[in-house]
Amino acid sequence: DTGVSQDPRHKITKRGQNVTFRCDPISEHNRLYWYRQTLGQGPEFLTYFQNEAQLEKSRLLSDRFSAERPKGSFSTLEIQRTEQGDSAMYLCASSSGTENTEAFFGQGTRLTVV
Amino acid sequence: GESVGLHLPTLSVQEGDNSIINCAYSNSASDYFIWYKQESGKGPQFIIDIRSNMDKRQGQRVTVLLNKTVKHLSLQIAATQPGDSAVYFCAENRGGATNKLIFGTGTLLAVQP
Repeated sequence: DTGVSQDPRHKITKRGQNVTFRCDPISEHNRLYWYRQTLGQGPEFLTYFQNEAQLEKSRLLSDRFSAERPKGSFSTLEIQRTEQGDSAMYLCASSSGTENTEAFFGQGTRLTVV
Repeated sequence: GESVGLHLPTLSVQEGDNSIINCAYSNSASDYFIWYKQESGKGPQFIIDIRSNMDKRQGQRVTVLLNKTVKHLSLQIAATQPGDSAVYFCAENRGGATNKLIFGTGTLLAVQP
């Protein structure tokens, strides 16, 4: 499978715990995005990496959220001290460096904070 | 964001009919648009895209129309099939360094057999 891969697919955690999600983009894609999607809404942009550099972060990304892409390949998104409002689908997407090309999404990680 | 709550607009069609899903975008500076299909529990799947220098683009069974004057986008699906049942999102790319996507309100397409 050469698509975007996310792990885990589902995560249930207790409020206050830390969670970490992983995204493996399409191998030749240097652009990587994280989005969050809540029920009934479209995905909302969280953050963007070009290679290993994090170039943009949304206001949605509070101090409890941190994302990395250490070698310019896979990326991780960590949420510290989870809250019930963090429950959502976390989507990763990647695209090539060419402007105006489609972004390919992974299947997402469904987070439930109880 | 562009949230409209839990009640998605719904389009119900009979199998074999044509479907038209509409989308209004907000930024006249957007120069690239994508339609995505999202099935329950899955990530968005690319369907078709269009650049702002075009007003129509056709794919297999799908056509996207772009009206920049009124900032409107539509997706036409010919001979709709049960497998087309999903939520459809339009997304606009406002360019710049990140090429991030801004998603519109989804439309639930329900295909009746």
